[in-house]
Amino acid sequence: ETGVTQTPRHLVMGMTNKKSLKCEQHLGHNAMYWYKQSAKKPLELMFVYNFKEQTENNSVPSRFSPECPNSSHLFLHLHTLQPEDSALYLCASSRSGATDTQYFGPGTRLTVL
Amino acid sequence: RKEVEQDPGPFNVPEGATVAFNCTYSNSASQSFFWYRQDCRKEPKLLMSVYSSGNEDGRFTAQLNRASQYISLLIRDSKLSDSATYLCVVSSRGGTSYGKLTFGQGTILTVHP
Repeated sequence: ETGVTQTPRHLVMGMTNKKSLKCEQHLGHNAMYWYKQSAKKPLELMFVYNFKEQTENNSVPSRFSPECPNSSHLFLHLHTLQPEDSALYLCASSRSGATDTQYFGPGTRLTVL
Repeated sequence: RKEVEQDPGPFNVPEGATVAFNCTYSNSASQSFFWYRQDCRKEPKLLMSVYSSGNEDGRFTAQLNRASQYISLLIRDSKLSDSATYLCVVSSRGGTSYGKLTFGQGTILTVHP
């Protein structure tokens, strides 16, 4: 299934590095989401974009910076991360609002050294 | 109190067994309800939506009790392939018109021969 793709699939970075995660959806959806999934914790919503506008920032630290240039692409820019930021970062999209089914990408497994 | 609470399990059941999962949510203004399934090291995928009238999809039956703020999932005639983590998911409007999803921590199911 290639409805929502994410790159890279795995990323190891040092605390001083700057990297970006990319998400692309091929479903014609208008809403895109970033989630963080840590071990033994529920999925945590980070950011929501609807029609390219950010409509939700769930108190995410500024070292995570999202960018949504169009309805099909979503980026998560990372800088000066901490080891506790190591997690699976999942992108999702839906037709419009959160009452619609969300389709997830395979995720990027991030390790911060 | 967690917004969405599930028994994390794990549930270990033999093939053919019937197993039930429960979930409670704290926001009485929640609007839509879902069960997602997440296989090990994979992304979550929608299993079924949950309606007040209850709904059934093959061996899976979901129920919603708005008065008690309680959601359930029943799996009959368990198969080995049902082994996964089952996520209870609730949507609410929050501060925007688009809303957001809140995930429970998931219930782990292992079906053994």
